[in-house]
Amino acid sequence: GEDVEQSLFLSVREGDSSVINCTYTDSSSTYLYWYKQEPGAGLQLLTYIFSNMDMKQDQRLTVLLNKKDKHLSLRIADTQTGDSAIYFCAESTSSGNTGKLIFGQGTTLQVKP
Amino acid sequence: SQTIHQWPATLVQPVGSPLSLECTVEGTSNPNLYWYRQAAGRGLQLLFYSVGIGQISSEVPQNLSASRPQDRQFILSSKKLLLSDSGFYLCAWSVKGSPETQYFGPGTRLLVL
Repeated sequence: GEDVEQSLFLSVREGDSSVINCTYTDSSSTYLYWYKQEPGAGLQLLTYIFSNMDMKQDQRLTVLLNKKDKHLSLRIADTQTGDSAIYFCAESTSSGNTGKLIFGQGTTLQVKP
Repeated sequence: SQTIHQWPATLVQPVGSPLSLECTVEGTSNPNLYWYRQAAGRGLQLLFYSVGIGQISSEVPQNLSASRPQDRQFILSSKKLLLSDSGFYLCAWSVKGSPETQYFGPGTRLLVL
């Protein structure tokens, strides 16, 4: 079945780069997403990548997709304390027009000053 | 622009009491709508989704139900709350088509005592 896996925790120093990894199982996924959740808040869409792309860059964020290995990563350059949050990877499902996404368990990013 | 509202923001209810959480979307028509539960700040569990008025799909058997009485209104209900219903409830919407990116509301924190 469809599944998305992420490591649970990552700690980095302010100013360093952070790399959050994700693996997924549905090879027919059309889009893959990264969401950010700050404490007590809803999920904020950070970026998404179409499955026929290898890389997408948006300011400090770089998404890399290895479709062969079903591996997705999110790199945050010059990580700031405000980047501390839970980051969720999600894949679209082959379920018609329902728009359902499969989410990973989330990676808690801790940024130390 | 589109916005999504959820209320209440926080709710404390006794075991056995009824529940009604409301979600409304503005600025779009005929969206897909979703209810998720997040326990202990971790992964998201999809509870219900709806592709149109009166059309509800349940993802997991449980003590909750959902209704969509209007195009942009999604309600999560229970007749008798259980302790295990405590959690953070998130509503989301998406536009039909590709990509069907989901946009999340601010969430409702429910504590059942």
